[in-house]
Amino acid sequence: GEDVEQSLFLSVREGDSSVINCTYTDSSSTYLYWYKQEPGAGLQLLTYIFSNMDMKQDQRLTVLLNKKDKHLSLRIADTQTGDSAIYFCVRGFYFGSGTKLNVKP
Amino acid sequence: GAVVSQHPSWVICKSGTSVKIECRSLDFQATTMFWYRQFPKQSLMLMATSNEGSKATYEQGVEKDKFLINHASLTLSTLTVTSAHPEDSSFYICSAAPQGPGTEAFFGQGTRLTVV
Repeated sequence: GEDVEQSLFLSVREGDSSVINCTYTDSSSTYLYWYKQEPGAGLQLLTYIFSNMDMKQDQRLTVLLNKKDKHLSLRIADTQTGDSAIYFCVRGFYFGSGTKLNVKP
Repeated sequence: GAVVSQHPSWVICKSGTSVKIECRSLDFQATTMFWYRQFPKQSLMLMATSNEGSKATYEQGVEKDKFLINHASLTLSTLTVTSAHPEDSSFYICSAAPQGPGTEAFFGQGTRLTVV
């Protein structure tokens, strides 16, 4: 198995940056993912990073990977109300608990 | 990207009956597929890894006789919930990795099972 941990909630104001954090225990998987799930909807792959990378940027999204500390983060710049959702950190095929992002107007 | 299709999207069944959920990779071959379960307001829990032509590998605590998995071809895996009970009501999602374990995975749209 795999322990992937995330904080459960994050609340930010529209226009601010959001940072969602994730820690994991197993280092064997080569991919780490961030998925988004809106209420009542399926999973949407946001971005992913290879385990041999430290950072990946994709438009408003920045992923940072600290392999030494086994820590992964997702930064959303200029957060919008449409970004309100649950964000899952995935290590290999194991999901974190999900972080519910609430964006206040 | 690759497409994974699940059927049905939702199903209601009577307690004691069995329900089969299909997961198909539409434009790629999937040697390995994964089955997840999601309870309301909770994360996805990996139930089992489905391997084409061999027995599925179940995660600890998942009853293999309760959740039967068959991966008969490179494009189809099925999950059968046997003798379903209300506590089996949940959202079931499958995924497949075209390049194999440890690579990018694509998810089906999920199946909402309600047992009454």
